[in-house]
Amino acid sequence: DTEVTQTPKHLVMGMTNKKSLKCEQHMGHRAMYWYKQKAKKPPELMFVYSYEKLSINESVPSRFSPECPNSSLLNLHLHALQPEDSALYLCASSQDWVGEQFFGPGTRLTVL
Amino acid sequence: QQQVKQSPQSLIVQKGGIPIINCAYENTAFDYFPWYQQFPGKGPALLIAIRPDVSEKKEGRFTISFNKSAKQFSLHIMDSQPGDSATYFCAASIYGRGSQGNLIFGKGTKLSVKP
Repeated sequence: DTEVTQTPKHLVMGMTNKKSLKCEQHMGHRAMYWYKQKAKKPPELMFVYSYEKLSINESVPSRFSPECPNSSLLNLHLHALQPEDSALYLCASSQDWVGEQFFGPGTRLTVL
Repeated sequence: QQQVKQSPQSLIVQKGGIPIINCAYENTAFDYFPWYQQFPGKGPALLIAIRPDVSEKKEGRFTISFNKSAKQFSLHIMDSQPGDSATYFCAASIYGRGSQGNLIFGKGTKLSVKP
């Protein structure tokens, strides 16, 4: 299995909702990433987990809360989001700090 | 110093043409340069990557040329096809333990290949 999967594919939520994005990989990778991508822009790094520990938080607002339950799973919990948070949320993984990053298909998030 | 400058912003070629996308960087510590291809509504897919110990790498119709002294690298797509129409991102990072794996992306090039 050489892919990163993300669920759901699409998510529409109100500003008062709580929702979660899920990412899974079965490549034995030990580093996992969350990116945010706005239209016609490159991906922006949000969080990095290495060996299930949060190692990078790129000054992301607290309404985004990452979680890494095990080495294969990565969640992003969402609460009290703003309309400007609407974007494509991408998960990626790599073997370690070293190695290519493989991206999932993304979750298209719309905040109303 | 952390920027990667990518050009052109958009590119239109005829089928069979050879589009060339260029990237330049400043940080001499970068030693890993991947290219990603992204179709609308999809995640970026790793296309090809190069390390500075080689000046060129070819995979199928895709070739990376790397000029270490000029701190530039480019992507060439041979015999381009309409199915190659996508947005291409170059990136750079430091490939090694403790580097934190951060990919610094260029702003992207939207390629259209006309039939």
